[in-house]
Amino acid sequence: AAGVIQSPRHLIKEKRETATLKCYPIPRHDTVYWYQQGPGQDPQFLISFYEKMQSDKGSIPDRFSAQQFSDYHSELNMSSLELGDSALYFCASSLGGGGRGDDEQFFGPGTRLTVL
Amino acid sequence: DAKTTQPTSMDCAEGRAANLPCNHSTISGNEYVYWYRQIHSQGPQYIIHGLKNNETNEMASLIITEDRKSSTLILPHATLRDTAVYYCIVRVTYSSASKIIFGSGTRLSIRP
Repeated sequence: AAGVIQSPRHLIKEKRETATLKCYPIPRHDTVYWYQQGPGQDPQFLISFYEKMQSDKGSIPDRFSAQQFSDYHSELNMSSLELGDSALYFCASSLGGGGRGDDEQFFGPGTRLTVL
Repeated sequence: DAKTTQPTSMDCAEGRAANLPCNHSTISGNEYVYWYRQIHSQGPQYIIHGLKNNETNEMASLIITEDRKSSTLILPHATLRDTAVYYCIVRVTYSSASKIIFGSGTRLSIRP
């Protein structure tokens, strides 16, 4: 079965550079979530989109922005990168919530960002 | 979302049942119990979820107490590939998507 695709899988940037991470959800999924996992930490929610609109926001720095496009893929844009941005970035997708309570999220393999 | 409490770590012999407990004493009536796991540096993987009744799928069983204040995830025949961090999460889901708030989880080690 098709899974969530993330690109690139690995990315190395210098401080103050910009980075763009891409996420392609499972076909027909309309909801995308972004999570950040620092070294030795648990995943932390950043932001989510439902039907191309931002649906929730977590502890996402102002230097980061994201959007969901008409084909439902999503991009996380990160500017003025800092050493502390080095982390695994996971994207997850689901078929919305609809109040059903069964909208399990399917995670991609992640993008490992290293800021030097 | 309600907070959960899990043991920091557990171990289990290969081939035996692994029972992972979770306390969620402040759970609300409309919150579901979800379990995810994360094998080292991979994306978290959905395992199972439930509201009130016990649930079983091809991966695991979920036992929820009658008062819903605690639950147990059961991996019936643990293998080395089940070594991972297991997260117990309670959450309400809405029509406009619902984030997962990960706690510390239980680091499960399966020994040969």
